[in-house]
Amino acid sequence: EIVLTQSPGTLSLSAGERATLSCRASQGVNSNYLAWYQFKPGQAPRLLIYGASSRATGIPDRFSGSGSGTDFTLTINRLEPEDFAVYYCQHYSDSVFTFGPGTNVDIK
Amino acid sequence: EVQLVESGGGLVKPGGSLRLSCAASGFIFSNAWMGWVRQAPGKGLEWVGRIRRETEGATPDHIAPVKGRFTISRDDSRDTLYLQMNSLKTEDTAIYYCINENWGRFENWGLGTLVTVSS
Repeated sequence: EIVLTQSPGTLSLSAGERATLSCRASQGVNSNYLAWYQFKPGQAPRLLIYGASSRATGIPDRFSGSGSGTDFTLTINRLEPEDFAVYYCQHYSDSVFTFGPGTNVDIK
Repeated sequence: EVQLVESGGGLVKPGGSLRLSCAASGFIFSNAWMGWVRQAPGKGLEWVGRIRRETEGATPDHIAPVKGRFTISRDDSRDTLYLQMNSLKTEDTAIYYCINENWGRFENWGLGTLVTVSS
C-alpha cells in the first residue's frame, strides 16, 4: 500500500508570500492520479489540482502543482488571506484512495 | 452549481445504526460515481467507499474496516446517495463527507455530517 507523507506539518507565512508544500509517496505513483485539496472550517473541501499539475475549475492561477514519481509539490504564489487553510494530497491506485496527513498553512 | 448536502448524522450508541443521506444537484447524478470520505476528530482523511453508476450495476466498494457493516447505495430517481451504517463502533466517530468521484479524484464535496458513536 502506498503511503503519502506531507511536509511541513505546519507552514507559517504572511499574506503575499509563497507557500511550497511537499507530498512524498512511499513508492513511485502515476501522476495522473495525484490530487490536492483545500480544507477550510465551515466550508466544503475543494479540489485544487488533479493529475499532479492541472488546476480544477475555478481555481486561481496562483495555485500550481508539479512533480512526478515519488515527489510532488503544491505552490501557492502570493498568498491571499483566504488561502490560509489545511492542504491534503491524495492518490488513487488499484481501487484504493490514499490521503496524506495534511499541511496547515497558517498566518505568521 | 454543484451541491452535495449531507444529512442524518448524530449521536448513536455503540452497536447502533444510522443512515446518512446526500442530496445532489447541479450535475447529472445518474452519470456519477459517488462515495463517502470520513475524518475522525484530530485525525486524517479516510476514504470509506463508493458506488458505480446504475448502468455499471451500481456495484459498491467499501474499505476493510467497514465491510459487512456499512452499505453504500443510491437512488437516481431522487438524486440521492446513502450510507447505511450498522454495528457502529466508537472508532466510526467522524465527519462524513459525500463526494463525487471522477478519474480517481474527488471533484466535489459536501459540508459533511458529524457521526458520534458513544455510550
